[in-house]
Amino acid sequence: KAGVTQTPRYLIKTRGQQVTLSCSPISGHRSVSWYQQTPGQGLQFLFEYFSETQRNKGNFPGRFSGRQFSNSRSEMNVSTLELGDSALYLCASSLEGGLTQETQYFGPGTRLLVL
Amino acid sequence: KNEVEQSPQNLTAQEGEFITINCSYSVGISALHWLQQHPGGGIVSLFMLSSGKKKHGRLIATINIQEKHSSLHITASHPRDSAVYICAVRFGNEKLTFGTGTRLTIIP
Repeated sequence: KAGVTQTPRYLIKTRGQQVTLSCSPISGHRSVSWYQQTPGQGLQFLFEYFSETQRNKGNFPGRFSGRQFSNSRSEMNVSTLELGDSALYLCASSLEGGLTQETQYFGPGTRLLVL
Repeated sequence: KNEVEQSPQNLTAQEGEFITINCSYSVGISALHWLQQHPGGGIVSLFMLSSGKKKHGRLIATINIQEKHSSLHITASHPRDSAVYICAVRFGNEKLTFGTGTRLTIIP
């Protein structure tokens, strides 16, 4: 079974631009969660999607949004990029629930650099 | 305030040594996870605990609900165990909270 895939793996953008990151979960997994990791703040939860609905959301501004499609693939979008948005963005999938309910399988991440 | 603290921040040990990484949290939780992150960013979920103890190979995780504390142990450590170990918890229905991680380096 293929693992969680994320595209692109690396991305360079400039301030003010917007970006869309994609995550394909393991086949059969319906829950997709997104995380941001920076050297200063560590790993932080962005949001979780389950069956095309956002089920949980972290403390991030409205510039960060996401969606999930009927095939469970998920995208996250960041508008009006700021320098501080430079980070590793990770997605993780699981069968039904978020991190504390069952094992999550993480993708390799998308490393975003905002100049 | 719901907090998660890990110790130590950095740990260097010789191959074969017994390793202990600690995670403490401020209030009651429903469950706790231990994650492993290798250089390059890939994260692997090692354990999910709500009580007691779990073992997988050379890794052992314990949790003490009353003391609000969890430990991750590695027996017969090996250089391939070198990674950052992160604990993560959910306080009730609050957002997930992560520890700052412990950077483990095992020297051959």
